[in-house]
Amino acid sequence: EPEVTQTPSHQVTQMGQEVILRCVPISNHLYFYWYRQILGQKVEFLVSFYNNEISEKSEIFDDQFSVERPDGSNFTLKIRSTKLEDSAMYFCASSEAFRVQLEQFFGPGTRLTVL
Amino acid sequence: GDSVTQMEGPVTLSEEAFLTINCTYTATGYPSLFWYVQYPGEGLQLLLKATKADDKGSNKGFEATYRKETTSFHLEKGSVQVSDSAVYFCALVVRTSNQFYFGTGTSLTVIP
Repeated sequence: EPEVTQTPSHQVTQMGQEVILRCVPISNHLYFYWYRQILGQKVEFLVSFYNNEISEKSEIFDDQFSVERPDGSNFTLKIRSTKLEDSAMYFCASSEAFRVQLEQFFGPGTRLTVL
Repeated sequence: GDSVTQMEGPVTLSEEAFLTINCTYTATGYPSLFWYVQYPGEGLQLLLKATKADDKGSNKGFEATYRKETTSFHLEKGSVQVSDSAVYFCALVVRTSNQFYFGTGTSLTVIP
């Protein structure tokens, strides 16, 4: 069964460093997403991406965040200068199309720890 | 704005007990409602969904009914198993967006 994969499973970084979180969405999916969950809080939407551009983003997704689809398979989230409050579980997701009834398929997450 | 409020956990039940996890929502539009489940070390998996009022989603013995009058989508299962131990997330998406709004998740542990 096709699945979304994410690497690494756990990333530890120093405050101020850049990190890149990687995701491989399901191959025939066209929409890609990043969410995050700070420990004990809700899963929050960050950004959606379609046709090589951002289609929606939340207030959380400020200038320190960027997304990219560098090739036909990977989808990345870059945090330019990490802060302590960026420590969270980051989930990538993908969906076939933009229809509200369709589910999004989620990866297992990358736990980011900023020291 | 759009949001989901979900029952706080953790929840611990004995095998074969009845499960209810409460979920209520606030939405500006007419949302679709989902329950996702996350097993240890895995991603969020769709458990069930309902796209209009009075629809009942069901899967693996779990059920939830879309109640517009009470803005609720409570998850139920008549007899839980140890293998149901996981974190359960209620979520909604509105028609004008593909952004999911999640609750905080409810951790369920079922003991033999």
